[in-house]
Amino acid sequence: TQLLEQSPQFLSIQEGENLTVYCNSSSVFSSLQWYRQEPGEGPVLLVTVVTGGEVKKLKRLTFQFGDARKDSSLHITAAQPGDTGLYLCGRSGGSNYKLTFGKGTLLTVNP
Amino acid sequence: DVKVTQSSRYLVKRTGEKVFLECVQDMDHENMFWYRQDPGLGLRLIYFSYDVKMKEKGDIPEGYSVSREKKERFSLILESASTNQTSMYLCASISDLLAGYNEQFFGPGTRLTVL
Repeated sequence: TQLLEQSPQFLSIQEGENLTVYCNSSSVFSSLQWYRQEPGEGPVLLVTVVTGGEVKKLKRLTFQFGDARKDSSLHITAAQPGDTGLYLCGRSGGSNYKLTFGKGTLLTVNP
Repeated sequence: DVKVTQSSRYLVKRTGEKVFLECVQDMDHENMFWYRQDPGLGLRLIYFSYDVKMKEKGDIPEGYSVSREKKERFSLILESASTNQTSMYLCASISDLLAGYNEQFFGPGTRLTVL
């Protein structure tokens, strides 16, 4: 089983602060996805990273895929209460058809 | 606007009841999934289906079965509900697993409580 480890598990910060969450694995992935899940809703895709060393930006969110394609990070600049939610990393595809997610980072941004 | 819909947002059942959770997608996707989500355990795959009438067990299939009679509909069945099946159940679909990076579309979830 190709496990995805996410850290930290919980993060509570004040509005305006910056933060970084991490997704790590011992295995190489061809691609990695980041999702955000708001309370009472299903996860929604934020971004897919495919190439080692790739950096993608989505407004205040910056996603990076490690050079070795075993890790990824999500950095949020000037966090806002609307960023509150569960951030999940996940991979899809592969020969065994199974889909794997990390346990997530639960982010709370206090006003 | 593409959608995955689930039949109920909240459901309360009694121990021993047979429970049906329905999921419908309007994207003509071949592949559909059922997960359960519990605090501290993340998303765990129960069953998935890659075609009509085709299914494969995920990581935690015990106590569950599934049905895929039509491409757009994937049902999760709890044959005899137990309290340890109290959870959030999420349905998802994806167009092409082997592409490796197609988006998974999730439904809003069904929060099931078994008393």
